[in-house]
Amino acid sequence: EAGVVQSPRYKIIEKKQPVAFWCNPISGHNTLYWYRQNLGQGPELLIRYENEEAVDDSQLPKDRFSAERLKGVDSTLKIQPAELGDSAVYLCASSLAPGQETQYFGPGTRLLVL
Amino acid sequence: KNEVEQSPQNLTAQEGEFITINCSYSVGISALHWLQQHPGGGIVSLFMLSSGKKKHGRLIATINIQEKHSSLHITASHPRDSAVYICAVRSGGAQKLVFGQGTRLTINP
Repeated sequence: EAGVVQSPRYKIIEKKQPVAFWCNPISGHNTLYWYRQNLGQGPELLIRYENEEAVDDSQLPKDRFSAERLKGVDSTLKIQPAELGDSAVYLCASSLAPGQETQYFGPGTRLLVL
Repeated sequence: KNEVEQSPQNLTAQEGEFITINCSYSVGISALHWLQQHPGGGIVSLFMLSSGKKKHGRLIATINIQEKHSSLHITASHPRDSAVYICAVRSGGAQKLVFGQGTRLTINP
């Protein structure tokens, strides 16, 4: 079975441009996470979905970041406009349920903002 | 002070050596995860612990709840073990993970 799928794998944009990342979680996984990982640091949660509902978006910079999971399956994370400091790896993960379950991570999208 | 601290931050060893990576946390937890991240790759979950010890192949993970400390051990290390190892905890009733900064392990042949 396919794991968590993310695209694109790499993205290079100029500052002030918009960018979007896509994630398809493992089939049947109700919980979806978006993380940002800066170089040399651990991932930081941006938003967590239970089905189509965003249940924790406290760390999402809402002035420029948005996310959606309209049908409770795949999800899109958008940045508009991107800033230099947004350069990072954006990781998507999914789990069956929000409790003790293991999270399965996608390969990430490496964003470079010039 | 971060809620999750890992040590060392960087570790270089020779093939065959026994490796220990440490994780200390400051909050009450319901679960602790050890994750592996290869350069340019995604993150793979190695272990999820709430007590005691788990073993998978050459990897062993232990946790001491009273001391708020966990260790990841690698026996007979190999160059393919070179990666960043990340400790993450799920605190109390929270549903999100808090991550350590990672330990970069390099095993030389």
